[in-house]
Amino acid sequence: AQSVTQLDSQVPVFEEAPVELRCNYSSSVSVYLFWYVQYPNQGLQLLLKYLSGSTLVKGINGFEAEFNKSQTSFHLRKPSVHISDTAEYFCAVRRSGGAQKLVFGQGTRLTINP
Amino acid sequence: EAQVTQNPRYLITVTGKKLTVTCSQNMNHEYMSWYRQDPGLGLRQIYYSMNVEVTDKGDVPEGYKVSRKEKRNFPLILESPSPNQTSLYFCASSKQGANEQYFGPGTRLTVT
Repeated sequence: AQSVTQLDSQVPVFEEAPVELRCNYSSSVSVYLFWYVQYPNQGLQLLLKYLSGSTLVKGINGFEAEFNKSQTSFHLRKPSVHISDTAEYFCAVRRSGGAQKLVFGQGTRLTINP
Repeated sequence: EAQVTQNPRYLITVTGKKLTVTCSQNMNHEYMSWYRQDPGLGLRQIYYSMNVEVTDKGDVPEGYKVSRKEKRNFPLILESPSPNQTSLYFCASSKQGANEQYFGPGTRLTVT
């Protein structure tokens, strides 16, 4: 079975500052990794995904994440945030090549202050 | 426009009154799934369906039923809702084997 831990439930940052949202996972098999974003009163939208290949993946809205197999981490980063990035962010995993079930972390609420 | 729709978006009901939350997708996806989102717990899968007439339990199926009679629709049924089913519910769909799931806008359910 897979599990995901998002290490911060809330992250407040100032506008134009860099941000890192941390995600660690546990799995005995190979996994695919995802970050989803949920804007207020909306559904989830895929930000980026890691399936294989380069460990640095780039997504929408200037976000990127790095897959670190030895540390079982998939941290999300953005060099300069905007007010519009205020949202809840979810890290998720699924077994590679297997069922499409996603296992989600608890979520991190990112608040951007002017 | 490709989308997943859910109805209703908001629902307040009383304990024991049967309700159905509908989910529909227009992308001809085989895979559909229901999740509930609770503070501090993230999203947890309730039920999923690999195709028409093929459904299976997720991680938290107790108190819920589903059906998949048509490819586009995947309703979630609460036969006798209880207050611990107060939550935000999301439907999602994807092509079989695909890596991206498309989520609906959510249904906020309150059971009093």
